[in-house]
Amino acid sequence: DQQVKQNSPSLSVQEGRISILNCDYTNSMFDYFLWYKKYPAEGPTFLISISSIKDKNEDGRFTVFLNKSAKHLSLHIVPSQPGDSAVYFCAAIPRVGNTGKLIFGQGTTLQVKP
Amino acid sequence: DTAVSQTPKYLVTQMGNDKSIKCEQNLGHDTMYWYKQDSKKFLKIMFSYNNKELIINETVPNRFSPKSPDKAHLNLHINSLELGDSAVYFCASSQERSRRGTYNEQFFGPGTRLTVL
Repeated sequence: DQQVKQNSPSLSVQEGRISILNCDYTNSMFDYFLWYKKYPAEGPTFLISISSIKDKNEDGRFTVFLNKSAKHLSLHIVPSQPGDSAVYFCAAIPRVGNTGKLIFGQGTTLQVKP
Repeated sequence: DTAVSQTPKYLVTQMGNDKSIKCEQNLGHDTMYWYKQDSKKFLKIMFSYNNKELIINETVPNRFSPKSPDKAHLNLHINSLELGDSAVYFCASSQERSRRGTYNEQFFGPGTRLTVL
């Protein structure tokens, strides 16, 4: 039972345009949501997070939006750059247990074309 | 300087063998994790240690045994390897386990690609 889902395995955008990556979750008991970015042959690296009590968090070119009623979050990258080409993982931290455990989606491969 | 390192990077072995993957972090973190990325690309938590104490033990076969000799190391031993164990295994660490209302970034190692033949 996958609690965090990224239904688009891939996305291709032109350099300078907006990239929108989507993520859905099924469990309302998540405390934090995060986006991780992964290049080939490397481990995931943290990109941006959002608390479940907020609906938006912005960091430079990256903005994460949280829609709790729809159980949906999205990552916006504006403007997209070729160096943003990577796999993006959505992840969530359960409220119960306080273990720091991350529950990941299956990732979306973003390709930014020059 | 490598923050979270894993050895080996690649591991190819036969079914039934026993193998270990080592993980070390030089960030001074208290908590370490093992994740498995399967063929469908899902990253799933396996274990977590906080100050050498096991705090997460997901539904993982008992052929997998984590060992934490000190806060900076979390090794993964796998006995009687099976074909289905083929995956990429990631080690991670964080300052401390995230408590309610906070998030402590997890830093990941580069992964170990295990292939069981």
